[in-house]
Amino acid sequence: AQTVTQSQPEMSVQEAETVTLSCTYDTSENNYYLFWYKQPPSRQMILVIRQEAYKQQNATENRFSVNFQKAAKSFSLKISDSQLGDTAMYFCAFMNYGGSQGNLIFGKGTKLSVKP
Amino acid sequence: DTGVSQNPRHKITKRGQNVTFRCDPISEHNRLYWYRQTLGQGPEFLTYFQNEAQLEKSRLLSDRFSAERPKGSFSTLEIQRTEQGDSAMYLCASSLSRGSFQETQYFGPGTRLLVL
Repeated sequence: AQTVTQSQPEMSVQEAETVTLSCTYDTSENNYYLFWYKQPPSRQMILVIRQEAYKQQNATENRFSVNFQKAAKSFSLKISDSQLGDTAMYFCAFMNYGGSQGNLIFGKGTKLSVKP
Repeated sequence: DTGVSQNPRHKITKRGQNVTFRCDPISEHNRLYWYRQTLGQGPEFLTYFQNEAQLEKSRLLSDRFSAERPKGSFSTLEIQRTEQGDSAMYLCASSLSRGSFQETQYFGPGTRLLVL
């Protein structure tokens, strides 16, 4: 069974600085998807970034980028120029590729606080 | 707004009562997922539908839980004889599945259930 581990329950960063959130996962599959979702306080979960395992290039979305290390089964999220609105729970998630399997497997989350 | 919607947003019930939640997915999405999220944890998969067919159920989905998606559009999740341990946020997500390629899952705001 696949598992996702986020080893940092809480992190804080000063506004405008850079922070990296860690995620490791375990799978025997070769093709899969990895995601970072953000859940602001009392608000719904939104997608931050997505990575297909068959793509060697790391995904980027504006201030958000990932460091995908397939052999190490590591998928960290880097947030540059942190903003107050980045304060949220961040969840790393795994999904198998293809067929009838489509559910996300989430880590326990990292609570990120951006301080002014 | 054409995002995923869920109703009600909050539900307080007494132990032993039945409750039903509704999810309206993004209109062109053929997959619909239900997850449960307890405080301080990541969401856990419960079940999912492709069109009107329920393709997978988690072992978390006890026989007190039933989900339907009768016309392949909205879905309902019913919990019979609620227990205090059912208190959680129930999240719905939808996505577009095309063969083996999986689109991103988009989440609704959730229904927060409190069982007294």
